[in-house]
Amino acid sequence: DTEVTQTPKHLVMGMTNKKSLKCEQHMGHRAMYWYKQKAKKPPELMFVYSYEKLSINESVPSRFSPECPNSSLLNLHLHALQPEDSALYLCASSQGETASINYGYTFGSGTRLTVV
Amino acid sequence: GQQVMQIPQYQHVQEGEDFTTYCNSSTTLSNIQWYKQRPGGHPVFLIQLVKSGEVKKQKRLTFQFGEAKKNSSLHITATQTTDVGTYFCAGRGSNYKLTFGKGTLLTVNP
Repeated sequence: DTEVTQTPKHLVMGMTNKKSLKCEQHMGHRAMYWYKQKAKKPPELMFVYSYEKLSINESVPSRFSPECPNSSLLNLHLHALQPEDSALYLCASSQGETASINYGYTFGSGTRLTVV
Repeated sequence: GQQVMQIPQYQHVQEGEDFTTYCNSSTTLSNIQWYKQRPGGHPVFLIQLVKSGEVKKQKRLTFQFGEAKKNSSLHITATQTTDVGTYFCAGRGSNYKLTFGKGTLLTVNP
């Protein structure tokens, strides 16, 4: 299994809703990431988990809350989002995340989120 | 903070023509990665360059990493319609954070 699976593929939510995005990989990768991508823009890093611990939070608003229940799963909990948060949310994984280990990222197909 | 500039922003070619996209970093990179994103798709990892002056080839794609490890290029020989998409470079600096360039959108006229 060489892929990252994200659900749902599409999500429409109101500004008062609570929803969660899910990501799963079974490649034994020890680093997992959340990226946000707006149309015609590059992916922007939100969070990095390394060995199930949050290692980087790119000053993301608290309405986005990541969770890593185990080494294969990554969630992104959403609450009280704004319309400007509408974007493609990409999950990725890699074999490791240290200064001496660098690997390419495997991205999931993303969740296209619309906040109304 | 670390910045990775990528040019051109767009490139339209006739099928069979060559294509090159360039990346420049404001700081020395520990490595650089290249990704391809098809329209409506997600980024797909192509390659990673680590060594100063490194050159790697994948069929019609040639990747280079500059001697100073601050610039890189991707060259596609004899483009095909299947090459259509946005090509991103992503540089890793001393804080090992991966910073994406803005990407080059390649369109190919058959």
